[in-house]
Amino acid sequence: DTGVSQDPRHKITKRGQNVTFRCDPISEHNRLYWYRQTLGQGPEFLTYFQNEAQLEKSRLLSDRFSAERPKGSFSTLEIQRTEQGDSAMYLCASPQGFSGNTIYFGEGSWLTVV
Amino acid sequence: AQKVTQAQTEISVVEKEDVTLDCVYETRDTTYYLFWYKQPPSGELVFLIRRNSFDEQNEISGRYSWNFQKSTSSFNFTITASQVVDSAVYFCALSAGGTASKLTFGTGTRLQVML
Repeated sequence: DTGVSQDPRHKITKRGQNVTFRCDPISEHNRLYWYRQTLGQGPEFLTYFQNEAQLEKSRLLSDRFSAERPKGSFSTLEIQRTEQGDSAMYLCASPQGFSGNTIYFGEGSWLTVV
Repeated sequence: AQKVTQAQTEISVVEKEDVTLDCVYETRDTTYYLFWYKQPPSGELVFLIRRNSFDEQNEISGRYSWNFQKSTSSFNFTITASQVVDSAVYFCALSAGGTASKLTFGTGTRLQVML
């Protein structure tokens, strides 16, 4: 258990529906990252928060994706009008320290769009 | 731009054999960090090691050892006397540039250890 919690662990949704994932990072870690991992690939960076500020977004994050981190605590990642190509595991990461001495990942949220 | 290459897609070994997983990276930054993660079938990414670019000392942790060579831009991972529980996908990752902790991952190497 890394101390990074993600919910839900699994989500099956119909194409066109909206889904939301939640990440609770390790408390006192002010940075939080979202990654996406498709089958057979390594995780890819989506977006990054320092406290409540979203500081960087990947080109992978289309306008159907939105992420928030109110009050610099937990974060949510919402996907609107899901497409089959959104099927993936969505991972949250909580780095320790500024240079990321140890970067802890949550167990991930698996999304299947049917 | 950063890049990590794990040329070995899948490796199968028999228990107790030693196995080395290769990782080659590319970056123009002089300060960077290299990581290895293990991803068992359950899906969670398990942190194994972090190395900074100024520390080329090899590291050993139990049956695991890492060989970092800047001259060849490689950060290889060896498991000695492999066990069935080592079966997983292993990812090498690189963090460099302005965003601390933003990782660029390789495509992973699936290790299967058989009895």
